[in-house]
Amino acid sequence: GNSVTQMEGPVTLSEEAFLTINCTYTATGYPSLFWYVQYPGEGLQLLLKATKADDKGSNKGFEATYRKETTSFHLEKGSVQVSDSAVYFCALSDRSGTYKYIFGTGTRLKVLA
Amino acid sequence: DTGVSQNPRHKITKRGQNVTFRCDPISEHNRLYWYRQTLGQGPEFLTYFQNEAQLEKSRLLSDRFSAERPKGSFSTLEIQRTEQGDSAMYLCASSLGQGERQPQHFGDGTRLSIL
Repeated sequence: GNSVTQMEGPVTLSEEAFLTINCTYTATGYPSLFWYVQYPGEGLQLLLKATKADDKGSNKGFEATYRKETTSFHLEKGSVQVSDSAVYFCALSDRSGTYKYIFGTGTRLKVLA
Repeated sequence: DTGVSQNPRHKITKRGQNVTFRCDPISEHNRLYWYRQTLGQGPEFLTYFQNEAQLEKSRLLSDRFSAERPKGSFSTLEIQRTEQGDSAMYLCASSLGQGERQPQHFGDGTRLSIL
């Protein structure tokens, strides 16, 4: 079945450091891929998405490229801020017809001033 | 901004009681999803509605769980005879239209605690 694997956290970085959060997936066909962010006590907010191979999603300085050959969708940011501290979830959209999401377990990011 | 709204935000109840949660999706969204999120995990799919029709239910959704979406608008999720293992965050999401490319918009969730 479909699945998403994320690197385990927590990830602790100093402000202005480079961020990479790894995400790989297993799926039938070519699903759409998403990154969501969750701040404490809140629901999930869409950060970026990519719907086909080689697409690059970007938002608020975050980027991720849909790599079909490595079945990956790694999240990157060149210079993190304290306000980026949150839990990040990688997800794929199941193509079974309902387009439900399959999520990774999440990666907690803590950015220190 | 009328995003996805969930009520209540928190629910504390004793084991064995029934609870009901409500989700109001974004008004024009025809697709509605319920997920469950336990501590330290990603959300897991529970059930899906397209308009008023419930088209898929996860094996996680035991017979103590029931969901409805009358008239294709708001949705309710009811848990009967709650158990300790039901303690979790219940998230509702909605999306518009056909195909997989439309992202889901999530509410802030209802956190259920079973005493």
